[in-house]
Amino acid sequence: RKEVEQDPGPFNVPEGATVAFNCTYSNSASQSFFWYRQDCRKEPKLLMSVYSSGNEDGRFTAQLNRASQYISLLIRDSKLSDSATYLCVVSLNNDMRFGAGTRLTVKP
Amino acid sequence: GAVVSQHPSWVICKSGTSVKIECRSLDFQATTMFWYRQFPKQSLMLMATSNEGSKATYEQGVEKDKFLINHASLTLSTLTVTSAHPEDSSFYICSATPIGPGSRADTQYFGPGTRLTVL
Repeated sequence: RKEVEQDPGPFNVPEGATVAFNCTYSNSASQSFFWYRQDCRKEPKLLMSVYSSGNEDGRFTAQLNRASQYISLLIRDSKLSDSATYLCVVSLNNDMRFGAGTRLTVKP
Repeated sequence: GAVVSQHPSWVICKSGTSVKIECRSLDFQATTMFWYRQFPKQSLMLMATSNEGSKATYEQGVEKDKFLINHASLTLSTLTVTSAHPEDSSFYICSATPIGPGSRADTQYFGPGTRLTVL
């Protein structure tokens, strides 16, 4: 079983749509959780950390369910510029494990 | 702030040659830097953890004699791919964790990556 699993997609959605990504992780001792965004041939960039209480940053909402070892990312009112690969990242003692990413394409 | 640079950004070399990739934290110090490799359409895979002033810690399956890591200062780590072969062609990305007041131990800042193509 992979340490971090994501649906690879691709998700093709129209502008303005709401889209949700899910991620599961295998190590129950994991301490920190993140969503990163990676554009083609670029490095990953931190989108947001994920907290147990859930957190929101503008159009982006992240949720963590420790009992189910499940993380989600919701994007509302998607923009063309949201097109990218979204990486679920799980960390234990600063050892980060990346999911393979979910590819999102937002179309006009 | 928190900028990490890598050099070169891309390199093409012949099979059998060695390639050195530099990772620098430009505006912060880092006792720990990480080296990742990413093949097309795959996730980032941690290769090794680079510790300033001590030996790097390699992940299982990564040959330490092939991927030489040196972390001689708090702002520079280097990865040397020795005797590179076509299967080593990949996107190599480094990251660094800042030290100092206010720094989060679980925050990593990524370099822009180095695309290596071995002919």
